[in-house]
Amino acid sequence: GEDVEQSLFLSVREGDSSVINCTYTDSSSTYLYWYKQEPGAGLQLLTYIFSNMDMKQDQRLTVLLNKKDKHLSLRIADTQTGDSAIYFCAERGNAGNMLTFGGGTRLMVKP
Amino acid sequence: KAGVTQTPRYLIKTRGQQVTLSCSPISGHRSVSWYQQTPGQGLQFLFEYFSETQRNKGNFPGRFSGRQFSNSRSEMNVSTLELGDSALYLCASTPLAGAENEQFFGPGTRLTVL
Repeated sequence: GEDVEQSLFLSVREGDSSVINCTYTDSSSTYLYWYKQEPGAGLQLLTYIFSNMDMKQDQRLTVLLNKKDKHLSLRIADTQTGDSAIYFCAERGNAGNMLTFGGGTRLMVKP
Repeated sequence: KAGVTQTPRYLIKTRGQQVTLSCSPISGHRSVSWYQQTPGQGLQFLFEYFSETQRNKGNFPGRFSGRQFSNSRSEMNVSTLELGDSALYLCASTPLAGAENEQFFGPGTRLTVL
């Protein structure tokens, strides 16, 4: 089946930039998403990018997509302690709204 | 606009019982998808309903079933519960058309099977 991979853990200092990476295998992906999950909570949609775009910026968030290498990244500028959470990337193919998720990257922000 | 709501938020059941979880999508959204989240398997797609019809199904046994009502609310049912069914069950709501790319999740129902 299709696969989405993420590194498990990232630690940064407050005020630095964070970059979370993701790779996927489905060449028919239409949209790629970034979600944030805080302890005991559901998934919060942060941003998404259409597969024919290579970059999207939304305030402190920048998404880069390299479709050739099937690589997606999320950059968080000026990372704050409130950004500490688990970040999931997900891809949606061309059949309905089914999402395939990566295993999540735990971001720890040190003051 | 109210977000996606799921009830109940927490549930404790014993093996062999059955359970029904409910999801109310964002007003105007017609598609509801269900996911299971466990520490071992991560987030896995269960099924998607659109206009009261199952549109997609993940790789789960037949004990897992769902339905959608005419007001777009959805329920999922798990029969003959097993310990491994303990998980956070999340539903996602998607607009009808034009913005089908946005999927919003509810807070989840945490099911514990003893």
